[in-house]
Parts: sequence; C-alpha cells; structure tokens
Amino acid sequence: EAGVTQFPSHSVIEKGQTVTLRCDPISGHDNLYWYRRVMGKEIKFLLHFVKESKQDESGMPNNRFLAERTGGTYSTLKVQPAELEDSGVYFCASSTTWYEQYFGPGTRLTVT
Amino acid sequence: GQSLEQPSEVTAVEGAIVQINCTYQTSGFYGLSWYQQHDGGAPTFLSYNALDGLEETGRFSSFLSRSDSYGYLLLQELQMKDSASYFCAVNRQAGTALIFGKGTTLSVSS
Repeated sequence: EAGVTQFPSHSVIEKGQTVTLRCDPISGHDNLYWYRRVMGKEIKFLLHFVKESKQDESGMPNNRFLAERTGGTYSTLKVQPAELEDSGVYFCASSTTWYEQYFGPGTRLTVT
Repeated sequence: GQSLEQPSEVTAVEGAIVQINCTYQTSGFYGLSWYQQHDGGAPTFLSYNALDGLEETGRFSSFLSRSDSYGYLLLQELQMKDSASYFCAVNRQAGTALIFGKGTTLSVSS
C-alpha cells in the first residue's frame, strides 16, 4: 500500500511569491489533515478535510492560505503571498480513524 | 488555551528502559496518541489511549490517567534505532485533529 506522498519535498521562494503544496493521501482515506511545524516549535494543526469538505479550518493562520481537496482525493495548500513567518515544514496526514494518522514526509518551505 | 507538556530531551543507553511523560491541559479530551519522528521525517503512529490504563505494543507501552491529565510512553530494551523525537498528541473530540506537544528528543547511546 502506497503511503501519503507530498510534493515538492523542498521549496525556496521569495517573500511575496506564491507556492502550492500538494498532498496525495492513502487511497480510501476520507480524512485528510494539514499540519505545520515551525522550527523548534510543536506540530500545529491547519485544517481537516472529510472527503472534499472542510471539516475544520480553525488552524489556518490567515486568508493567505487556501486549501482545496479535489473530488475527495488529493489536496493542495496554496500560500499567496508568502511571508517570512510561513517558513516551516508542512505535513499532510490521512486516516480512516482520527487517532491513527498516516503522515507524509512533509514539504520544507523556506521563504526568503 | 491548549497545552501539552513533555520533556525536551531524554538520554539513555542501549538495553535500558525510559519513560517519557506528557501532561495536558485542553478544552475537551477524547484520547492521547504517541508519534515517533526520525530526523525530520514523517511522524509515525505508535499508540493510542482513550481509557485509563496501560496499552502494550511490543517494546512500547503507553499509559493514561484521565483524572490526572497525564500519560506516558514507556520504551523498553532500548535500541540505537529508537533515537528519535517522540510526540504526545490529544484529540479533544472524536473525529477532530490532533494537538501536539513540542516533542521529546530521545538519544540512545551504546
């Protein structure tokens, strides 16, 4: 069974630019989560999809972040325009249960 | 606010037993999970406790006391490959996302 995949693995962009991160969950997993870890801090929740619907987006920091999940399959997270504080590792996770989540390898975003 | 406290670092030698504690203060509690992360890779699920008591999975065990808002992860017969970061995480309600602690870095030496 293929795991959660994320693309790209690394992204370096300048402040003000746009970046789109992609997550492909495990096939059949209705739950998809986005998390972010800023250097030295805890992994923080961003939002939760159930199929194509946003179940909880309370963790999204501001309206520069936009997440979509097309047809309940892959998801994208767009940051526009990027700011320096957006740097960190963005993790995607999918699950059938809420406690056993399968994480992807993450996208390391650096905003300069 | 929500907070989970765990030690930042723990060191131990091969073959030893180590316990990583986690205390939590959250608005609502449904269960406590533990995840392992090697060198910035993908966090990997280890265990889950929704009820008080001990859950055992091979060399790893996890304990929960809901009345004390406290849990721990017990790692036995430590191996070098257990060197990693360990995170406790809480679900406030069924079906909700995880709230993570800052993680404990475990270093196992020979």
